[in-house]
Amino acid sequence: AQKITQTQPGMFVQEKEAVTLDCTYDTSDPSYGLFWYKQPSSGEMIFLIYQGSYDQQNATEGRYSLNFQKARKSANLVISASQLGDSAMYFCAMREGSQGGATNKLIFGTGTLLAVQP
Amino acid sequence: DAGITQSPRHKVTETGTPVTLRCHQTENHRYMYWYRQDPGHGLRLIHYSYGVKDTDKGEVSDGYSVSRSKTEDFLLTLESATSSQTSVYFCAISTTGGGNTEAFFGQGTRLTVV
Repeated sequence: AQKITQTQPGMFVQEKEAVTLDCTYDTSDPSYGLFWYKQPSSGEMIFLIYQGSYDQQNATEGRYSLNFQKARKSANLVISASQLGDSAMYFCAMREGSQGGATNKLIFGTGTLLAVQP
Repeated sequence: DAGITQSPRHKVTETGTPVTLRCHQTENHRYMYWYRQDPGHGLRLIHYSYGVKDTDKGEVSDGYSVSRSKTEDFLLTLESATSSQTSVYFCAISTTGGGNTEAFFGQGTRLTVV
């Protein structure tokens, strides 16, 4: 069964420093996608970055990069040069991809609350 | 931004009453999801739909039912609300169910059962 684990309930980082948010996953499907979402205090869910299981390179989107280690089943989010506006809850998510769509659930981890300190 | 509207945005209801939450999309996306968010649990999938009249259960479906009679609307019903169903409910949509498709979320509905 698919599973997402985020072991860091909370993290602190100094402004302008880099921070890594951990995510491990479990699946028996060779085809899957991994996602990171940001939820600021206002409550909306914002898509940040995607990594496919067959992608050879780590995904990057601006200051966000995904450190994908397939053998370890980890998909850590790296935020470079943290800003005060990065303070938010961050969720890792996964969807399996081989079954053609109908039963492909998108499941989430429990989240990591990041606080950026000035 | 994806056109997703959840209604109502806030609701207080009494234990034992039925409650229906609505998710409306203007994107013509095939897949729609209902999640609940609770502290320490992240987002948990309640039900999802992969087409009109095609729905399936998620990990926390007990006490909830759904219906999708049109592509644009996905309704979540709490048949007899309980205090344990006090939560923030999110609707999400995606174009496909494939592994490479991100989901877009509505603004959420805060439900309080007293």
